[in-house]
Amino acid sequence: ETGVTQTPRHLVMGMTNKKSLKCEQHLGHNAMYWYKQSAKKPLELMFVYSLEERVENNSVPSRFSPECPNSSHLFLHLHTLQPEDSALYLCASSQRPGEETQYFGPGTRLLVL
Amino acid sequence: QKEVEQNSGPLSVPEGAIASLNCTYSDRGSQSFFWYRQYSGKSPELIMSIYSNGDKEDGRFTAQLNKASQYVSLLIRDSQPSDSATYLCAAYNAGNMLTFGGGTRLMVKP
Repeated sequence: ETGVTQTPRHLVMGMTNKKSLKCEQHLGHNAMYWYKQSAKKPLELMFVYSLEERVENNSVPSRFSPECPNSSHLFLHLHTLQPEDSALYLCASSQRPGEETQYFGPGTRLLVL
Repeated sequence: QKEVEQNSGPLSVPEGAIASLNCTYSDRGSQSFFWYRQYSGKSPELIMSIYSNGDKEDGRFTAQLNKASQYVSLLIRDSQPSDSATYLCAAYNAGNMLTFGGGTRLMVKP
């Protein structure tokens, strides 16, 4: 247990569905991250939030919409996804952006049909 | 494009042997480097960090950094079957963001 939790752990959705991924950190950290991990590809940084403000958006399609209502919670809202969006979505947190040690949650395995 | 490159493997070593995992990076501005271990179906777990040229030892693990050659490695001594996992190399770039390599799959055979 790293102190970062994610729900759901598995999600199957159709291309017309809308769903949300949730991340919660219990470490008192101020920075939170969304990463995408696809088969045979490196871990890709999607978004970075610092104290509820987005500080990085790594050219992610608009069908992914992050939300950070407070420093402990991070959401990733999904709509009209494509099958190629199927991947493991990992949340991480650190004391601050630029803090090198990041703690990862267990991930949400997403399958888009 | 700032990249971190790793051989995807699998790297197969017998139990008790030394496993050597290698990584190269393209951004000369990177100052900090990390090795994460990821078991199948699990999230990455930080096992080593290194910031200066040379070796850094932690138990059975030794990280090596050569900034001139833009090369990072991880040695695992006395490899155990429980070390079987994918090892991710990551570099902290000038934009203060982690860039990950694709990972090397290590298999330690009893």
